[in-house]
Amino acid sequence: DAKTTQPTSMDCAEGRAANLPCNHSTISGNEYVYWYRQIHSQGPQYIIHGLKNNETNEMASLIITEDRKSSTLILPHATLRDTAVYYCIVRVHMEYGNKLVFGAGTILRVKS
Amino acid sequence: KAGVTQTPRYLIKTRGQQVTLSCSPISGHRSVSWYQQTPGQGLQFLFEYFSETQRNKGNFPGRFSGRQFSNSRSEMNVSTLELGDSALYLCASSLAGQGGWNTGELFFGEGSRLTVL
Repeated sequence: DAKTTQPTSMDCAEGRAANLPCNHSTISGNEYVYWYRQIHSQGPQYIIHGLKNNETNEMASLIITEDRKSSTLILPHATLRDTAVYYCIVRVHMEYGNKLVFGAGTILRVKS
Repeated sequence: KAGVTQTPRYLIKTRGQQVTLSCSPISGHRSVSWYQQTPGQGLQFLFEYFSETQRNKGNFPGRFSGRQFSNSRSEMNVSTLELGDSALYLCASSLAGQGGWNTGELFFGEGSRLTVL
C-alpha cells in the first residue's frame, strides 16, 4: 500500500514555479522519498529523491520537512512539456532489497 | 546509451492463452523490476530480479512469473490469461547498490500493452 497522499490534480501557469505537495506521515527513519513523473503513453521518469536534506538537480528541487512527514517537489519554471502525472513515492524495504510503491499521483497541467 | 527496451509493444490475446514479455535493460544495469499499470489499480509492483534471482515479489497470483538471464535481460510470463490482465506492463532497470539492492533510481521502458479479449 502506498505510504503517500497527494492532491489529485493541480494547474500551473507556464513559466511559473510548480509546487507539488506530498504527505508521508508514516515514513520510517531510513526510508527515502522519490519523485517520478509519467507523461502520457510513456514509462515513468525519475526526477529526484532525498532522505532528510533538501535536494536539487537539473530538473527540480525537493524540500523535505524537518519531521519528514511531508515534502514538496518544485519545478522552478514549468513548461508545457512538464504536463504529466507526478508520483511521490516512499521506497519500502523488503526482505531482500526494496521496492517503490506508487500511489495515484498528481496530475499537473501546465497552461499557457 | 540505449534505454530499456521492451518487446512486443502491443499484443492482443484471448482468455486462457499465455504471454511472454521481454525486457532488455540498460547496459550495466543488473537489477530489473516489473510493474503492472491499469486505470483502476495504477502502478503495481510485480517482481524484481538481480543476478538471475527473484529478489522480491508483489501480491500477484502464481500465474505471473518471470526470470532473468545471465546477460540481465528479463522475461515475464502470464499464463491462463484473464480479462483483468489487460494492462501496460512496464519493465525498469537499475544499477544495483550494495547487496544487489536497486538504487531506487529506476529507468523504465515504454511498456508492453497487453489486451486480453
